[in-house]
Amino acid sequence: GQNIDQPTEMTATEGAIVQINCTYQTSGFNGLFWYQQHAGEAPTFLSYNVLDGLEEKGRFSSFLSRSKGYSYLLLKELQMKDSASYLCAVPYNTDKLIFGTGTRLQVFP
Amino acid sequence: GAVVSQHPSWVICKSGTSVKIECRSLDFQATTMFWYRQFPKQSLMLMATSNEGSKATYEQGVEKDKFLINHASLTLSTLTVTSAHPEDSSFYICSGPGQGAYNEQFFGPGTRLTVL
Repeated sequence: GQNIDQPTEMTATEGAIVQINCTYQTSGFNGLFWYQQHAGEAPTFLSYNVLDGLEEKGRFSSFLSRSKGYSYLLLKELQMKDSASYLCAVPYNTDKLIFGTGTRLQVFP
Repeated sequence: GAVVSQHPSWVICKSGTSVKIECRSLDFQATTMFWYRQFPKQSLMLMATSNEGSKATYEQGVEKDKFLINHASLTLSTLTVTSAHPEDSSFYICSGPGQGAYNEQFFGPGTRLTVL
């Protein structure tokens, strides 16, 4: 079966750095996605990892360890607008996506 | 990226009525589209895969007779919630298949359904 876990909620201060973890157990592995979702809106794509290591994209970076079934999303220089839910997801059966439980991040001034 | 629209963006209906939600791909054609449901403070759950020209495939535990899916063309998929009940109140989101550089899915803006 497929199982993806994330912390439910996190809080951080504006300007700080926060790391959101995601652990997964899947039959087969075809990469891992991170999406951002603001309340009441659609998820938007942030990053994709298929090989081990760190992928950096501006203030956001994503890390993957396939042997450990582990990924994290690193957000630097936090801004108020980063308050949102962050969802990790893994594809299966070609195009389907299974989402993690999601992490609600609240950034305080 | 690929653009997906949904209509309506929100709907309120009485218990026992049916509600149709449309999902359109605006700048690409899709032989498959995906329907998700999201309850408050929860993650997205895949309900079904809509297939153009054939029956939808439903995930385990999703009632196919209650959630009717029709993929009428390469740019339109509809989800009809039949005989809606308050427990069907949720955020329904559709997406097209992977279109981006990383084969990422692009999501519609979602439809908030409230059943009274």
